[in-house]
Amino acid sequence: GAVVSQHPSWVICKSGTSVKIECRSLDFQATTMFWYRQFPKQSLMLMATSNEGSKATYEQGVEKDKFLINHASLTLSTLTVTSAHPEDSSFYICSARPGTGPADTQYFGPGTRLTVL
Amino acid sequence: KNQVEQSPQSLIILEGKNCTLQCNYTVSPFSNLRWYKQDTGRGPVSLTIMTFSENTKSNGRYTATLDADTKQSSLHITASQLSDSASYICVVSALSGYALNFGKGTSLLVTP
Repeated sequence: GAVVSQHPSWVICKSGTSVKIECRSLDFQATTMFWYRQFPKQSLMLMATSNEGSKATYEQGVEKDKFLINHASLTLSTLTVTSAHPEDSSFYICSARPGTGPADTQYFGPGTRLTVL
Repeated sequence: KNQVEQSPQSLIILEGKNCTLQCNYTVSPFSNLRWYKQDTGRGPVSLTIMTFSENTKSNGRYTATLDADTKQSSLHITASQLSDSASYICVVSALSGYALNFGKGTSLLVTP
């Protein structure tokens, strides 16, 4: 149980294009989903927190107009990197928090490797 | 500021050997501490979780310890296997809210 999937697992795009990454909780309802970014040899850095049906809360320094987050259902959140540039190349990981249980429980997805050329 | 420090940053050991990874934290008030294994290019997978009252937790060849008084934790890997090569991340939660405090991880390489 508690499986989180991400799609795609990797994507390569040209500079200036937009890329959408999906995060799904497969066997539970996620009232809250989180988006992280991880650079090589660094730990996960929280980008934003999204609650189903409401606007995402972005961490300081994360551009909300560049990283669009939509959490339209209890099992799906999407992250769209708009007008991607090479510096946006990174490993993006989502996590999902079930509606029940401890508030700090998060199940992580397998990540999406984004490469912007 | 809530911080989680891990050591060593990287480690190379021979297959079959044991190793111990360290985690020190300043997160307060403490809620729980988790160790995750992250294979290259994959998301973190939970190994153990310990609350304030627990000082040891095992998961197969992985044994985590917690000293809440000194705010230290360790992850001991017994009889290492090549598949143990990964990054091991210590994550500490505070009682307030749902935010996770991540360490930078220890990169472990197990060689034949």
